[in-house]
Amino acid sequence: QQQVKQSPQSLIVQKGGISIINCAYENTAFDYFPWYQQFPGKGPALLIAIRPDVSEKKEGRFTISFNKSAKQFSLHIMDSQPGDSATYFCAASKTGTASKLTFGTGTRLQVTL
Amino acid sequence: NAGVMQNPRHLVRRRGQEARLRCSPMKGHSHVYWYRQLPEEGLKFMVYLQKENIIDESGMPKERFSAEFPKEGPSILRIQQVVRGDSAAYFCASSPISYNEQFFGPGTRLTVL
Repeated sequence: QQQVKQSPQSLIVQKGGISIINCAYENTAFDYFPWYQQFPGKGPALLIAIRPDVSEKKEGRFTISFNKSAKQFSLHIMDSQPGDSATYFCAASKTGTASKLTFGTGTRLQVTL
Repeated sequence: NAGVMQNPRHLVRRRGQEARLRCSPMKGHSHVYWYRQLPEEGLKFMVYLQKENIIDESGMPKERFSAEFPKEGPSILRIQQVVRGDSAAYFCASSPISYNEQFFGPGTRLTVL
C-alpha cells in the first residue's frame, strides 16, 4: 500500500520558471515531511523539511507548502536553474524516536535554457 | 565532518553468491537505516538499527537478507544466495538521537549476473 503519492512523474521547466511538485499522504500519524534531491549516481540529499505546525517553510529558492486538512504538501522551486535538474522525492515519517521514511515515487525535473 | 560512507560503491555478484554491503554513519549518529532503490523507483525502507539492536525490520525480505550494527565497526547488510531481482541501489542513512533528519550515503549499486 503506497502511503505517499507524488506527482508529476516528470516535469520540464524553463530557466527562471517555477517548478511545483505535489505529494499527498494517507497516514495521519505522519508529522515530518522532508524533500530530498537526488542526482544520477548519487545518494539523496536532504533539501528542506516541514512539520505540520506551520503551513509554509522557505529556504532560499525552495519553499514547502503544507495543507494538513487535505493531507497534501508541495515543493516550489523559484527561479529554477539548469543545476536544479535532478530527481526530487517527498517523504514522510512519524516524529519522536527516529523512524523510517516513506518515500514518494519521485519527480524527474529538467530545467531547460 | 565526513558524511555517511558506504562501500563498496559498486558490487557485481553472480547468482547464488553472497553480497556484503557496509555503512559507516556520520560521526555522532547512532541510528542507521537501510533503503533499497530499484531502477526508476523511489526508495523503500528495509531495516532500522541502533548499535547492537535491530529496531524495525518490517521492510526486510523474510529470507536471505540480514543486517547488523555491531558495537564496533560499520553496519552491514548481507544478502545470501543473490538473485537477479536483488539488483538495485542500496542506500544507508544515519540520524542523530531523537531527530528525524536522515542523511544518506552515496549508495552501493549491486548487479547480479
